[in-house]
Amino acid sequence: QLQVQESGPRLVKPSETLSLTCTVSSGSVSSADYYWDWIRQPPGRGLEWIGSIYYSGITYYNPSLNSRVTIAVDTSKNQFSLNLRSVTAADTGVYYCARRNTVRGVYWGQGTLVTVSS
Amino acid sequence: DIVLTQSPLSLPVTPGEPASISCRSSQSLLHSNGNNYLHWYLQKPGQSPQLLIYLGSNRAPGVPDRFSGSGSGTDFTLKISRVEPEDVGVYYCMRSLQAPTFGGGTKVEIK
Repeated sequence: QLQVQESGPRLVKPSETLSLTCTVSSGSVSSADYYWDWIRQPPGRGLEWIGSIYYSGITYYNPSLNSRVTIAVDTSKNQFSLNLRSVTAADTGVYYCARRNTVRGVYWGQGTLVTVSS
Repeated sequence: DIVLTQSPLSLPVTPGEPASISCRSSQSLLHSNGNNYLHWYLQKPGQSPQLLIYLGSNRAPGVPDRFSGSGSGTDFTLKISRVEPEDVGVYYCMRSLQAPTFGGGTKVEIK
């Protein structure tokens, strides 16, 4: 059974960088069948796609966040990561890592709440 | 950019009664291969979203048959034939190709 688990600091100061790692178990980030996504949800609001990485290392970012986002993959650790720079309170929310197959859908992690506050 | 518009925003339902949610896309989601790349998810309170329907009309494994999806191109519908109390939560449609896009969500609650 696939597991994807987010880890990283739960509290980030304004203007600093939010960094999260997703560890994948019982599945491989090197699979050509999937995209590896970061998705977030502000408190009480809807879902927002942040970006994706493919096994080849190709990345796709939400244009609204493109200038602040970097997603990378570490195949040796079977992990992928998110860096979101220059955060503000508007970046507070639950951050999900996920595995997406365009046909069979998204498998979500449990999510981690990240708060931006001084 | 593709925009997905869901309606209604809120849907009070009576257990045992049917319910219907609409998702309209600003551009066609019908691919040249014949697939509509539109999925439906349910986010129950305090949980991650879970897949209900993929490619517009296919139930995901383990999803009760009271859930059905239909539509093509720009207009899609999720139907619940008889709402159960455990169906409460927020329903999202999602475009799964290229840059994923989510609808704004429809909150289903029991009357």
